[in-house]
Amino acid sequence: KNEVEQSPQNLTAQEGEFITINCSYSVGISALHWLQQHPGGGIVSLFMLSSGKKKHGRLIATINIQEKHSSLHITASHPRDSAVYICAVRSPGNTGKLIFGQGTTLQVKP
Amino acid sequence: DSGVTQTPKHLITATGQRVTLRCSPRSGDLSVYWYQQSLDQGLQFLIHYYNGEERAKGNILERFSAQQFPDLHSELNLSSLELGDSALYFCASSMTGRSEAFFGQGTRLTVV
Repeated sequence: KNEVEQSPQNLTAQEGEFITINCSYSVGISALHWLQQHPGGGIVSLFMLSSGKKKHGRLIATINIQEKHSSLHITASHPRDSAVYICAVRSPGNTGKLIFGQGTTLQVKP
Repeated sequence: DSGVTQTPKHLITATGQRVTLRCSPRSGDLSVYWYQQSLDQGLQFLIHYYNGEERAKGNILERFSAQQFPDLHSELNLSSLELGDSALYFCASSMTGRSEAFFGQGTRLTVV
């Protein structure tokens, strides 16, 4: 079993829909990251969370440390949100080591 | 633009060869990380350097080595290349091992 599991693996939505991507982890962490990877490969850091909730524009990320679970929500989805969304957990201490989920491929249709 | 620069963007080389990938971190960042993204393994942590010193090692093969120079840029050396080393190699940087990391655009390595 992977230490970081994302669901769903693939998601197709219509423009305007509310989207939720889930991430569960089984190891101790110091923080959790949500990353976005567009076709062509570049990775963009969306959020780094250690507790609670963060919001940036139409994106909201939450984390429940006790349940070892995080969600990424996209409100009013748009075709430009089509990308792979990757959850990664940071190991405790100062190693900076990230353990990655397998990614969720999102396609938003106009 | 994350501020992290990786060169080259693409590299095609033959099996058995050696290549060097370069990463310039964001201004002020002391930590540099290397990651490998392959189709079958996904993203994997390779190694972390902080201010010139190795801080943590992940799934890095013995054929691979890295270093961080006094000006804080880093190089990842891959030798005796095999077909299975074909992947996207990402560098990321952060101020410390505990702060948010910013990724470069990656180097796509193809071994033929």
